[in-house]
Amino acid sequence: TQLLEQSPQFLSIQEGENLTVYCNSSSVFSSLQWYRQEPGEGPVLLVTVVTGGEVKKLKRLTFQFGDARKDSSLHITAAQPGDTGLYLCADNAGNMLTFGGGTRLMVKP
Amino acid sequence: DAGVTQSPTHLIKTRGQHVTLRCSPISGHKSVSWYQQVLGQGPQFIFQYYEKEERGRGNFPDRFSARQFPNYSSELNVNALLLGDSALYLCASSPAVGTAYEQYFGPGTRLTVT
Repeated sequence: TQLLEQSPQFLSIQEGENLTVYCNSSSVFSSLQWYRQEPGEGPVLLVTVVTGGEVKKLKRLTFQFGDARKDSSLHITAAQPGDTGLYLCADNAGNMLTFGGGTRLMVKP
Repeated sequence: DAGVTQSPTHLIKTRGQHVTLRCSPISGHKSVSWYQQVLGQGPQFIFQYYEKEERGRGNFPDRFSARQFPNYSSELNVNALLLGDSALYLCASSPAVGTAYEQYFGPGTRLTVT
């Protein structure tokens, strides 16, 4: 059974700071996805990466996929209160998602 | 266009009871998946349905069952509720099955078992 570990579990920072959260898998990802979930809502897909070493940018968010396709990081530059939420990594294998435990981020104004 | 809708929003049940949760996918989507999210954890895969057939099942006991109707809506049933079944139940829809298709999640049904 694949296990996804995310770190840190909780992160509280001030607006304008930079941060990085991590996702490590016990086995190679089929297709790595990052989601953000806000209170009272379901997860929303941010990005999909499939190629080892791939880097994708989404405005202030930078996603990096490890060469061995077993780890990933999400870096947020100049965090804003709107970035607050639960960040989840997931492996998409045939549309069945295996999620990590998530990093709960709070950005204070 | 409406997103994935789930009903009810919240539900309180007693141990041993049965519960039915409902999900309507995005129009045109033929696949529905169910996930359980216990407080403080990531979602766990329960079932996937495509064209009314079960295509995948997670590591959940037989007390959990589901079905998909001809209009592609879906129901999740849980029998003999336990305290540990308290969770947010998420439904996700996608046009078809396969890694290439994005899943769109509904807001979930919050189930509390007392």
